[in-house]
Amino acid sequence: IVMTQSPVTLSVSPGERATLSCRASQSVSSNLAWYQQKPGQAPRLLIYGASTRATGIPARFSGSGSGTEFTLTISSLQSEDFAVYYCQQYNNWPPWTFGQGTKVEIK
Amino acid sequence: QVQLQESGPGLVRPSETLSLTCTVSGYSSSSDNYWAWIRQPPGKGLEWIGSIYHSGSTYYNPSLKSRVTISVDTSKSQFSLKLTSVTAADTAFYYCARPVTIFGVVVMGAYGYWGQGTLVTVSS
Repeated sequence: IVMTQSPVTLSVSPGERATLSCRASQSVSSNLAWYQQKPGQAPRLLIYGASTRATGIPARFSGSGSGTEFTLTISSLQSEDFAVYYCQQYNNWPPWTFGQGTKVEIK
Repeated sequence: QVQLQESGPGLVRPSETLSLTCTVSGYSSSSDNYWAWIRQPPGKGLEWIGSIYHSGSTYYNPSLKSRVTISVDTSKSQFSLKLTSVTAADTAFYYCARPVTIFGVVVMGAYGYWGQGTLVTVSS
C-alpha cells in the first residue's frame, strides 16, 4: 500500500491551524498512525486508530478519516510543533508503510 | 516505562553484514513481545524492515526479505537485526521499536516506543 502525504511542506504561523493530509492507495480501514519527528530524534507516536491520541499527546492534535483519506489537524501551532509528520498504515502487511512526510515550518 | 537502546557498528563495508542489537528495559512480559526494526536514510523517510513476535514468528519487508534476519534472545532482553550484502543504499539511521499497548491489547503496527536510533554507514 502506498501512502501519499500532502503538502510536502506546510508554512504556518504560530497560533494558526495546520491541516495535513494522507491518502492510501487502497483502504486501510482505521489502521492509521501519525508520528511527529524532530531533527535528531526518533519519531513520536501522536495518533493511532486514525483518531485516538497516544498517551501524553496534547488535545490540539486530532486525527480523522477512514478508508483511504486521513487528516491530522493541529488546532493552534506551538513552537514545539514545527517538525516533520508521517502517516503510516498498519492494516495490510507486510510491509507496514509510511508516507513520505510533511514538514511543518514557521511562516 | 519501556526503553529501547540500539547498539552495533557505525560503519560497515559494502557486501558485508550489518548487525545490530536492541536492548529492552522496563519490560518483563514474554507473552506479548512484538518488536520491530525501522530505518531512515539521512534526510529521507521511514522504512519498516520487519518484526518478530513472542511466538518467534518473523515478518519482513518483501523488498529486504532475502537479506534480513530478525531474532530475539528473551534471556538477555534483546533482539537483533542482520542485513547481509549491504550497499551504500543501506546507509541509514536504524531504529528498534515496539507497538503501543492499550488496556493490555497490543496495537499492532502503531509504534509507541522507539530507541534513539543508530546511524550505520556503508562505505569502504
